[in-house]
Amino acid sequence: AQSVTQPDIHITVSEGASLELRCNYSYGATPYLFWYVQSPGQGLQLLLKYFSGDTLVQGIKGFEAEFKRSQSSFNLRKPSVHWSDAAEYFCAVGGPGGGATNKLIFGTGTLLAVQP
Amino acid sequence: DAGVIQSPRHEVTEMGQEVTLRCKPISGHDYLFWYRQTMMRGLELLIYFNNNVPIDDSGMPEDRFSAKMPNASFSTLKIQPSEPRDSAVYFCASRNRDYNSPLHFGNGTRLTVT
Repeated sequence: AQSVTQPDIHITVSEGASLELRCNYSYGATPYLFWYVQSPGQGLQLLLKYFSGDTLVQGIKGFEAEFKRSQSSFNLRKPSVHWSDAAEYFCAVGGPGGGATNKLIFGTGTLLAVQP
Repeated sequence: DAGVIQSPRHEVTEMGQEVTLRCKPISGHDYLFWYRQTMMRGLELLIYFNNNVPIDDSGMPEDRFSAKMPNASFSTLKIQPSEPRDSAVYFCASRNRDYNSPLHFGNGTRLTVT
């Protein structure tokens, strides 16, 4: 069965420090992978997506993610965290069959806190 | 572009009452999705529509839940009768017809059933 695992429920980093959020997936075919961010009281916003090609993808707000097929991972990174990055981050996997995002499976999320 | 608009933002109701959640997708988007978010189960897809037609409702938890899309600019999710375990944040999302177009989420409706 398809699944997404985000091992870290909660992470705290200092402002200006680097960040890596982990995501592992289980999918029978070539996955389409996504990272979304959710601020309190808001909906989810797409940070970046991977469909094919270059395994290092750039997103909005200075985020990037690297697809590693051998490790079934799609970790999210940012070299220098800003206080405004405090939010919950969701990894998701989708696949073919009408649309890459029609039946997304989301991870349980990682809540990021940023210390001044 | 006003984005996906959901109403109400918060709903508190008593067990047994009917609840109707509303969604206006982004104009021109052909797909509409209803998701539910809870602490226990995370984000779950309930149902999605293409061109106002329900395509996959396998995520709808039971017959108490129903969703309609009478036209391209409006959808409802109804729970009748509501139960405390239905308490959650319900999100509506939409996307255009391109295969790899991203989902655009509304700000959600927080439902509390007492």
